[in-house]
Amino acid sequence: DVKVTQSSRYLVKRTGEKVFLECVQDMDHENMFWYRQDPGLGLRLIYFSYDVKMKEKGDIPEGYSVSREKKERFSLILESASTNQTSMYLCASSPGQATYEQYFGPGTRLTVT
Amino acid sequence: GIQVEQSPPDLILQEGANSTLRCNFSDSVNNLQWFHQNPWGQLINLFYIPSGTKQNGRLSATTVATERYSLLYISSSQTTDSGVYFCGLVDNDMRFGAGTRLTVKP
Repeated sequence: DVKVTQSSRYLVKRTGEKVFLECVQDMDHENMFWYRQDPGLGLRLIYFSYDVKMKEKGDIPEGYSVSREKKERFSLILESASTNQTSMYLCASSPGQATYEQYFGPGTRLTVT
Repeated sequence: GIQVEQSPPDLILQEGANSTLRCNFSDSVNNLQWFHQNPWGQLINLFYIPSGTKQNGRLSATTVATERYSLLYISSSQTTDSGVYFCGLVDNDMRFGAGTRLTVKP
C-alpha cells in the first residue's frame, strides 16, 4: 500500500512565524503535491513537483514556498505565517506520467493565531 | 483551466438507500478520481477511473469521457458512508469539484 505521511495532524503557530510542513511518501513516486482545503473553496493546489529539486506553482502559491531535496520528501514552507493561512493542508503523491492517480496524506490542520 | 462541477451539493439518505453522485467536467481529460473525505479530513482514494466502469463492493463508478461526466453509485448506504465525496481531474495539475456532502441517517 502506498503510504503518504505528514509530520503533524494539528499545528498551532503565531503570526509571523516560519512554518514547515513535511510530507513523506514511501513508494518512489515522482510527483508530489501540496493542497489546501477551505470551506466553500474546496481543494486548491499550492505547489507541485515532478522531480527532485523541481517545483511548479499551482493556483495559490503566494505566501508559500516548497522544497524537494529528496524524492520521497516534499516540504511546504510558510515564510511568515498569517491568519489567512489557517487551513487544512493536504499532501499527495502520484507515480509518474503513466498514471496520475493520486494518494493523499492524512492532512495537517494548521491554525495561525 | 478545466471546470469541475459536482451534484448534488448535499444529499441526505436513510440507511439502506441507494444514491448517485455526478461529476461534470468542461473539457476532455484522461484522468479522473473519486475520493471520500473521512471525518478526520483525509482523502481516501475510491476509484481511479478515466473511462469505463469499476466496482468495489457497494460502490461503483462510471466515466463517460466523451460526454464529460462521471457517476459514483453507492448502494445500500451505511452511516459510515457519510462524508464528502470529491471528484478530481488531472490536466496539468489536479482540479477538484466542490464535493457532495452525504449524510446517511440510521
